[in-house]
Amino acid sequence: EIVLTQSPGTLSLSPGERATLSCRASQSVSGNYLAWYQQTPGQAPRLLIYGASSRATGIPDRFSGSGSETDFTLAISRLEPEDFAVYYCHHYGSPSTFGQGTKVEVK
Amino acid sequence: QVQLVQSGAEVKKPGSSVKVSCKVSGGAFNNYAISWVRQAPGQGPEWMGRIIPFVGIVDNAQKFQGRVTISADKSTSTVYMELSRMRSEDTAMYYCATSHYGYRSGDYYYYSMDVWGKGTTVIVSS
Repeated sequence: EIVLTQSPGTLSLSPGERATLSCRASQSVSGNYLAWYQQTPGQAPRLLIYGASSRATGIPDRFSGSGSETDFTLAISRLEPEDFAVYYCHHYGSPSTFGQGTKVEVK
Repeated sequence: QVQLVQSGAEVKKPGSSVKVSCKVSGGAFNNYAISWVRQAPGQGPEWMGRIIPFVGIVDNAQKFQGRVTISADKSTSTVYMELSRMRSEDTAMYYCATSHYGYRSGDYYYYSMDVWGKGTTVIVSS
């Protein structure tokens, strides 16, 4: 199975700043079957990005995904108050796996 | 818009089983694979397995082989996840989620999980 390692564990930023989150896979992710989710307390994960770089329906364009093979990045261009949350990368091949998460907190 | 309605919270004794349901509405049941994902308190999500109800194909995570049974009732558009021989470490929120799927070269492939249920709390305690 593909192990996903996210970094950093916590990112302390101010509203308006840019956030860059990393997800590294233990082996190449075929077909770029890599997604990013946002989770706020008490809520289910929300799909942001699929196919490494395609935004899901209704996701603002301040969110962008990039990368291929083993290195993937989620960028949030200008943090809004509602963006402070935990973010997970996810390989949806077989078997499916999640990273351990990056918490984006208010500095 | 597809919606997933999950069954209510459960409290179980160690060694027992739990069966959680997930009813799909607002979409064509045959178009989806349904995954089960759990999340222990303070931890990240953990994929347990998935089913393509249309063809009855089940794909389980190795960790849960022999303990998890995922099934579907096409007549009611409902998917079930049963976890047996439960222990305290199985205390978690259990989610179901939909994904589209395809078939190519003799194998199924899956898309990202785009619609999630609200979750079912399962507590295992003596």
